[in-house]
Amino acid sequence: GQQLNQSPQSMFIQEGEDVSMNCTSSSIFNTWLWYKQEPGEGPVLLIALYKAGELTSNGRLTAQFGITRKDSFLNISASIPSDVGIYFCASSRNTDKLIFGTGTRLQVFP
Amino acid sequence: GAVVSQHPSWVICKSGTSVKIECRSLDFQATTMFWYRQFPKQSLMLMATSNEGSKATYEQGVEKDKFLINHASLTLSTLTVTSAHPEDSSFYICSVSSGRLLNEQFFGPGTRLTVL
Repeated sequence: GQQLNQSPQSMFIQEGEDVSMNCTSSSIFNTWLWYKQEPGEGPVLLIALYKAGELTSNGRLTAQFGITRKDSFLNISASIPSDVGIYFCASSRNTDKLIFGTGTRLQVFP
Repeated sequence: GAVVSQHPSWVICKSGTSVKIECRSLDFQATTMFWYRQFPKQSLMLMATSNEGSKATYEQGVEKDKFLINHASLTLSTLTVTSAHPEDSSFYICSVSSGRLLNEQFFGPGTRLTVL
């Protein structure tokens, strides 16, 4: 089935560092969403992207919808300990079904 | 975004019993809700799409007779795991579409099911 590949699989960084992660697919998608999930909780929507090339920010987070419509990246600037969690990309075509990426686990050390 | 609740937050049951999980949309009427399953250290996998007033649409490989979904109102969908077995132990999460932009889904806090 469809799969979105995220990299890196995990990151261990120091507080204050910038973070970059991406999500790629072999297929074209119309929507890219980025979610954060903390242990024992449901995912929380961070950023939604709807147009190829779109660059959107939410506080210290910035995400872009790739021009080819097959990828997206998420950047976190000046990381803080509460950024810890698993970041998932999710995509869809013309239906409301979402396909989730494999996830990037972020650990921030003070 | 939409506010979604789930009940219970965790449940432990014996093998062979049935467990019902509720998903509620608290601040708007949701014609469509989604049920996902997440195994430890894995991603979310869509199980089924729950449509208010009609039968749910199940993803390939998901047994509809084992995972009964009822979406009887615009604010409530239930997932019943029938004759649960240890391999059904997982984190079950529901979501709702905001309705404004269907692709944006807002998730509940999840239900941890442990089958002994």
